[in-house]
Amino acid sequence: DSGVTQTPKHLITATGQRVTLRCSPRSGDLSVYWYQQSLDQGLQFLIQYYNGEERAKGNILERFSAQQFPDLHSELNLSSLELGDSALYFCASSGEPLRELFFGEGSRLTVL
Amino acid sequence: AQTVTQSQPEMSVQEAETVTLSCTYDTSESNYYLFWYKQPPSRQMILVIRQEAYKQQNATENRFSVNFQKAAKSFSLKISDSQLGDTAMYFCAFSISNFGNEKLTFGTGTRLTIIP
Repeated sequence: DSGVTQTPKHLITATGQRVTLRCSPRSGDLSVYWYQQSLDQGLQFLIQYYNGEERAKGNILERFSAQQFPDLHSELNLSSLELGDSALYFCASSGEPLRELFFGEGSRLTVL
Repeated sequence: AQTVTQSQPEMSVQEAETVTLSCTYDTSESNYYLFWYKQPPSRQMILVIRQEAYKQQNATENRFSVNFQKAAKSFSLKISDSQLGDTAMYFCAFSISNFGNEKLTFGTGTRLTIIP
């Protein structure tokens, strides 16, 4: 158990819809990262938050947005969903200084 | 931009044998971290081993060890006495150590199968 909690574990929705993925980092970790893993692919970095502020941005689509709340949990919002958005979405957290990323179990999104 | 290359998409080895997974990276930074993560069929991402670039000594964790060649920008993972539970995707990852830019950049992975 990494200590990072992601919900929901599985989500099936239709094209054009909007979903929200939630992440609670490990206790004390201020940084939260979101990654996307499409089928049999590597992990693509989407976005990082540190103590409520956006810190780094990867190849995140404009249809996607995220935020980190005062209690440090984070949400990733995916809108106008397309078939190609089907993937495993990982949240990870880290402490300072960076030693490693601790990953949640992922949220598997299926867009039909 | 940093890049990580894993040139072996798939590998297989007999149980109890030793296997080495390759990883090269490209960066102009002098201080950084390197990681190997394991992703078993459960899809959970599990840290296998970590290496700080400023340390010359190769990291070791039980049956797992790395061969870190900083000048060659190479970071290979050796698994000794391989076990069936080692069957997984293995990802090499890189991170610079600048505060505020700690994201990990991952390679495309090597699918390792341990054959009984």
